[in-house]
Amino acid sequence: DGGITQSPKYLFRKEGQNVTLSCEQNLNHDAMYWYRQDPGQGLRLIYYSQIVNDFQKGDIAEGYSVSREKKESFPLTVTSAQKNPTAFYLCASSILGQGAGQPQHFGDGTRLSIL
Amino acid sequence: AQTVTQSQPEMSVQEAETVTLSCTYDTSENNYYLFWYKQPPSRQMILVIRQEAYKQQNATENRFSVNFQKAAKSFSLKISDSQLGDTAMYFCAFMKSLTGNQFYFGTGTSLTVIP
Repeated sequence: DGGITQSPKYLFRKEGQNVTLSCEQNLNHDAMYWYRQDPGQGLRLIYYSQIVNDFQKGDIAEGYSVSREKKESFPLTVTSAQKNPTAFYLCASSILGQGAGQPQHFGDGTRLSIL
Repeated sequence: AQTVTQSQPEMSVQEAETVTLSCTYDTSENNYYLFWYKQPPSRQMILVIRQEAYKQQNATENRFSVNFQKAAKSFSLKISDSQLGDTAMYFCAFMKSLTGNQFYFGTGTSLTVIP
């Protein structure tokens, strides 16, 4: 079955450590996204990518980095510069070029906590 | 900038009854898309329904329907014959048609279906 796989499901970070969240999709979608979800704040966009080797900052990119070396993969690194990384992280993907209004499809998420 | 407002942080409904979740948005765009997503306790985001702004007819998906009032910038979700499995967070989302893919989410409404 096609879908989006996020791993790990739970992740713990020590102070001063960088951690990387994995996101893989086999839907052949062009665009991929990373969101952060905090209680009472909905989903906030961190980064998105519409094509391999290109990505744009979202609303809360500070302290995060991404890469898009393959169409299927869009890993998110939470750097030590992100002082409040505890949150639920959602990866999504969508089709481009088949008319506007294509919905985003989501993975199951990764919960990141500070040790 | 686009903003999406969900003014009901929490709601409850008796099983088999009908409930309406409200969503308003602010935009200067004329063509856009609106979505409702459901996030059950498993945390996966699931698309419930999609509405194209240039279509006057309200979208319907089985027990889920919307009341789209373009002039009032209102996009409410009606759930008929509520079931226990409808218990979830519900997010309203806005997407501009020309940019193609960036979503703006509301802060969500937590719905509990009471047996």
